[in-house]
Formats: sequence, C-alpha cells, structure tokens
Amino acid sequence: QITLKESGPTLVKPTQTLTLTCTFSGFSLKTRGMGVGWIRQPPGKALECLALIYWNDDKRYSPSLKSRLTITKDTSKNQVVFTMTNMDPVDTATYYCAHTIMTPGWFDPWGQGTLVTVSS
Amino acid sequence: DIQMTQSPSSLSASVGDRVTITCRASQTISTYLHWYQQISGKAPRLLIYAASTLQSGVPSRFSGSGSGTEFTLTISSLQPEDFATYYCQQSYITPRTFGQGTKVEIK
Repeated sequence: QITLKESGPTLVKPTQTLTLTCTFSGFSLKTRGMGVGWIRQPPGKALECLALIYWNDDKRYSPSLKSRLTITKDTSKNQVVFTMTNMDPVDTATYYCAHTIMTPGWFDPWGQGTLVTVSS
Repeated sequence: DIQMTQSPSSLSASVGDRVTITCRASQTISTYLHWYQQISGKAPRLLIYAASTLQSGVPSRFSGSGSGTEFTLTISSLQPEDFATYYCQQSYITPRTFGQGTKVEIK
C-alpha cells in the first residue's frame, strides 16, 4: 500500500522560501518509472501541477514557475523535498504530493495535503 | 502547455440522475486522460485512468470514454456520496495539466 504525507510550515512571509517534504512508503524512487509530483490548489480553485521527479532524477517543472522551483529526492529516506522561492500571497494554497509513474502519468494516491498561507 | 477545458463548470442533479461531464484538450492527447473526484476538504482520488479504465475500488456506476481531444465522465445513477468536484488531467506531455473542475451539487 502506497502512502504519502506532506510536512512543512503552515505560514510563510512574503519573499520567504517555502520548503515542503513528502515522506512516502510502499514504493521506491530507485524503481524504474516511479515518480513523485507536487500539485497545489488555491482555496476554491483548480489543481496545478508544479513539479515532478522520477527514479532517474529527471525533473520537470511548471514553465510559468520554473525559476522559483526546485525538487530533489532522498532515496535513502524515501523523501522528496520541494522548494519555492520568493513566496507571495497568491501562492497561498493546499500543497499535495502524489505518487506517479512516468508513463502513463496519472497521480495515485495523493497525500492529505498541507495548507500553506503566505502572509506578513 | 495543453489546455484542458471541462464543461459544465457546475451542475445540479438529483440522486439517481445520469450525469455526464465533458473534458476537451487543446491538442490531441490519445487516451492519456485521467479523472479524479475531490470531496470538499479532501485530497483528490483517482477514479478513471487512460480515459476508460476504472481504478480499483471505484463503483461501476462511473465510466469514462473518449480519445484524441474529447472525453466524457459518466455517472450512471448519482449517489449521495458522489456530490463532489471532478477534474480531468492529461499526461500526454509535461507539464501535466488539469481541467478547471466540475462541481456536482444536489438539486
């Protein structure tokens, strides 16, 4: 059974850097095809895929946010770390991590999500 | 980026109704199309993958169809636990993109 859980701050100030950790079990990022994605959802709005990382360290970022994002993996700890720089109130959202496979690319399952508020 | 457009954005229906949601892609995506259900305050749940394959544990009243640029999600007989928001997602290319969601409300 695959499970994922997000952890990190619930409140960040404008211009600060957000760092979130996804701790997972039930699969390994050493296994061919495996991946983890970060997806966010502003309150009342739609889902947006921010970043993906795969077993071979292939990384994909949202083009519109690429300059602000970094995703890394620690296979020994079964963790994926996501950072977003220069946070702004419009980045207030629930941030989810989810298991994915490179092809065919759906997300399943998802972590419970963590609400991050950007406010001074 | 591939734009995913869902219609309608919201709908009101009664228990037992047949409900159909449409998702259109801005370019062909073969069958790299997946559907999720999100109950308020919860994480999304995968319902259907590869356009028409039901995820394990999902009731058979849910079905999906389509290929290319046009896809549908159908709930054959709406149940109380189906009132939620539904999203489509393409995985043909990165960035992976989602539709804007369809909220299914109680009439």
